[in-house]
Amino acid sequence: EIVLTQSPATLSVSPGETVTLSCRASQFINTNLGWYQQKPGQAPRLLFKSASARATGIPARFSGSGSGTEFTLTISSLQSEDFAMYYCQQYHDWPPYTFGQGTKLVVK
Amino acid sequence: VQLVESGGGLVKPGGSLRLSCAASGFTFTDFNINWVRQTPGKGLEWVSSISSSSSYIFYADSVKGRFTISRDNAKNSVFLQMSRLRADDTAFYYCARAISGDVFDVWGHGTMVAVSS
Repeated sequence: EIVLTQSPATLSVSPGETVTLSCRASQFINTNLGWYQQKPGQAPRLLFKSASARATGIPARFSGSGSGTEFTLTISSLQSEDFAMYYCQQYHDWPPYTFGQGTKLVVK
Repeated sequence: VQLVESGGGLVKPGGSLRLSCAASGFTFTDFNINWVRQTPGKGLEWVSSISSSSSYIFYADSVKGRFTISRDNAKNSVFLQMSRLRADDTAFYYCARAISGDVFDVWGHGTMVAVSS
């Protein structure tokens, strides 16, 4: 089973700042990685597939990068609606699909 | 495009529950459907996947032998029959669609399952 490790667990940032979230895979997954955003009381929402392909309706301030085992999600000019949980997911070797444990963005 | 789960509730350990996922707004038979659960305050765990024609079915080790996934393409619905439920099955259960071996691009709102005596 491929383990995804996200860091940091919590990020305290101010609106307008730029943040980078990390996701590391326990083995090679090429670019078979997705990113999701989840707000309290809501289902996860797809942000990216193939590590860097933005899903429909996702603002350009969100960007994804990486391949192999190291991946990043960058959010520029943080807006109030961006404070949420973020999860990465691999679909390179499944079953099982696996998710990272998440990074929580909180307001400083 | 919508997925709507139902069937959650409170059940005693060892009991059974059947979750449903109703799809609308897209060609149901073009997609696999997955169940993903989330313990309150915790992360996401993939539970099960069923292919468009039900030819391929997979389960997480944690539920294998206790849960059964099925689908009715005539009714655009997927079901998760859960038996021998345990306290650690307590979670929010989401259904989510995916093309095989791909991300989950549409999710339902979820249904809560609580296993407690």
